[in-house]
Amino acid sequence: DIVMTQSPDSLAVSLGERATINCKSGQSIYYNNKNLLAWYQHKSGQPPKLLIYGASIRESGVPDRFSGSGSGTDFTLTISSLQAEDVAVYYCQQYYGTSKTFGQGTKVEIK
Amino acid sequence: QVQHVQSGAEVKKPGASVKVSCKASGYTFTGYAIHWVRLASGQGLEWMGWINTGNGDTYYSQKFQGRVTISRDTSATTAFVELSSLSTEDTAVYYCTRDVPGGGAFDIWGQGTMVTVSS
Repeated sequence: DIVMTQSPDSLAVSLGERATINCKSGQSIYYNNKNLLAWYQHKSGQPPKLLIYGASIRESGVPDRFSGSGSGTDFTLTISSLQAEDVAVYYCQQYYGTSKTFGQGTKVEIK
Repeated sequence: QVQHVQSGAEVKKPGASVKVSCKASGYTFTGYAIHWVRLASGQGLEWMGWINTGNGDTYYSQKFQGRVTISRDTSATTAFVELSSLSTEDTAVYYCTRDVPGGGAFDIWGQGTMVTVSS
């Protein structure tokens, strides 16, 4: 299975400031001109929400303060200006292999 | 609208089995694979396995191999996950979700089903 490692495990950011989460895959997840990586937001008591797929494509309806970047094995989720409603746990996930593995999650809080 | 509605909360004793259902609506059921993901307290999201709803082929995480069965009823547009030999470590919220044909990100999720394993 492809191991996904996120950093940091948690971070506290002031409202309006930038939050950056990193994700590293154990092998390249680039295939057929696409990076097979997604980012999800998970708030307590709700199902996860797809934010980004293909490493950088924002899902319909997702605010443009969320952006994804990276290729191959190293990826980043950036929240350009943190809002109170962005408090959540964020997960990266690879869908390259037959097994679809998640990172361990990064908890984002307000400083 | 496109949605997945899951069955209600379950309480089971250690050693028992549990079966959770996921009713899909608003889209062509057999056009998408259904995956099961769980979230245990203090843990992260954990992928369990998936089913090709068209032909019934399944693939399971090695962690659950031998203990999990994913199935579907195409006439009822419903998928199921059954987990046997439950232990307290299986206490978690179980989610169904779908991915696009050919494999992709998970865009539509069920509301989650709480399974509690306790003696």
